[in-house]
Amino acid sequence: AQSVTQLGSHVSVSEGALVLLRCNYSSSVPPYLFWYVQYPNQGLQLLLKYTSAATLVKGINGFEAEFKKSETSFHLTKPSAHMSDAAEYFCAVSESDDKIIFGKGTRLHILP
Amino acid sequence: GAVVSQHPSWVICKSGTSVKIECRSLDFQATTMFWYRQFPKQSLMLMATSNEGSKATYEQGVEKDKFLINHASLTLSTLTVTSAHPEDSSFYICSARDLGKSSYEQYFGPGTRLTVT
Repeated sequence: AQSVTQLGSHVSVSEGALVLLRCNYSSSVPPYLFWYVQYPNQGLQLLLKYTSAATLVKGINGFEAEFKKSETSFHLTKPSAHMSDAAEYFCAVSESDDKIIFGKGTRLHILP
Repeated sequence: GAVVSQHPSWVICKSGTSVKIECRSLDFQATTMFWYRQFPKQSLMLMATSNEGSKATYEQGVEKDKFLINHASLTLSTLTVTSAHPEDSSFYICSARDLGKSSYEQYFGPGTRLTVT
């Protein structure tokens, strides 16, 4: 069965610093992997997705993630954090049955 | 493109009443829609998969008689919470799969906040 583990329910970084949100997945077949962002009382916005093409995936708002099969990881990074990046981030995995399984989420705090 | 709307965005109802939430794909057709539930500060939990013209598939532990799902057209799915109780208070989010695109692509609605008093 597929699953997602996000390390760290809360991550704090200073404005301008590197953002690193960790995600490890478990899947019996090559997965599709996603990162979503959720602002308070809003739905989910897709940041980026991995679909077995390039292992380094670039998304919106300067975010990117690298698929590492050997480590079963799909960590999300951004070189320089902005205050507007403060939100909840969800890593998710999907196999062929179309279901998307979400991690528990990581709340990103940006320190001025 | 690929916009999903939900109505209402928030609703307050009394215990014992029923509430209907609509999920619409505005600019694409969706044979499959998904309903999620999110408790405060928690992740999204898939409740059911809604297929146009057929019965929904519910996840384990989700009461199908309590959460009625209807997917009558390629652009509309509804979730009805029957005989609502305070423990049903939650944030309900739907997503839709675009019939014309790859199977993995889902687009999420803005969510509906349900409060049962």
